[in-house]
Amino acid sequence: DAMVIQNPRYQVTQFGKPVTLSCSQTLNHNVMYWYQQKSSQAPKLLFHYYDKDFNNEADTPDNFQSRRPNTSFCFLDIRSPGLGDAAMYLCATSRDRSSNEKLFFGSGTQLSVL
Amino acid sequence: AQSVTQPDIHITVSEGASLELRCNYSYGATPYLFWYVQSPGQGLQLLLKYFSGDTLVQGIKGFEAEFKRSQSSFNLRKPSVHWSDAAEYFCAVRTNFGNEKLTFGTGTRLTIIP
Repeated sequence: DAMVIQNPRYQVTQFGKPVTLSCSQTLNHNVMYWYQQKSSQAPKLLFHYYDKDFNNEADTPDNFQSRRPNTSFCFLDIRSPGLGDAAMYLCATSRDRSSNEKLFFGSGTQLSVL
Repeated sequence: AQSVTQPDIHITVSEGASLELRCNYSYGATPYLFWYVQSPGQGLQLLLKYFSGDTLVQGIKGFEAEFKRSQSSFNLRKPSVHWSDAAEYFCAVRTNFGNEKLTFGTGTRLTIIP
């Protein structure tokens, strides 16, 4: 039973064309994270929501935005995708932000930019 | 800021052989340490974690890891690997101050040969 669900599994977009990736969770967790993982690199945190509180990482480009309309859903919006934004995007959740909390990951969305 | 190093990009092991994946961290105090596994086409799954206490921790799927403060290491081991263990393995660190992000290493890809 999937607990963190990401759609679509593969997404192809054109250079400069806005794209939205979605994530939903059935765990009722307070925190939702978005990670970017480029080929052969470590997952890199873009931002997270703690409930409705949005927390952006300092080095996340303005091109990346996020929305969390309710506890279950979180969206990643890329306003003008560039070739360098092609990557796997991972959504994760945790019950709270304590350092000992386990993160639950979705299967990811592989984004290609043409 | 904390950092994680996984010196081995790719390791090949025969099925049934023992395995050790290396992880070194950089942090002034004892951080919280994690090992995650990512199977092809899947999200990351937590194998085990270390916070305090016994320096040898047991995880799922027969994995264990040993925290060695003197070496700033948290190496992952398994006595006998199975073909299904082929995956990407990520070591991760988080400070124990709370509200700190999880920082991943660049991963080690494990290939199992018959």
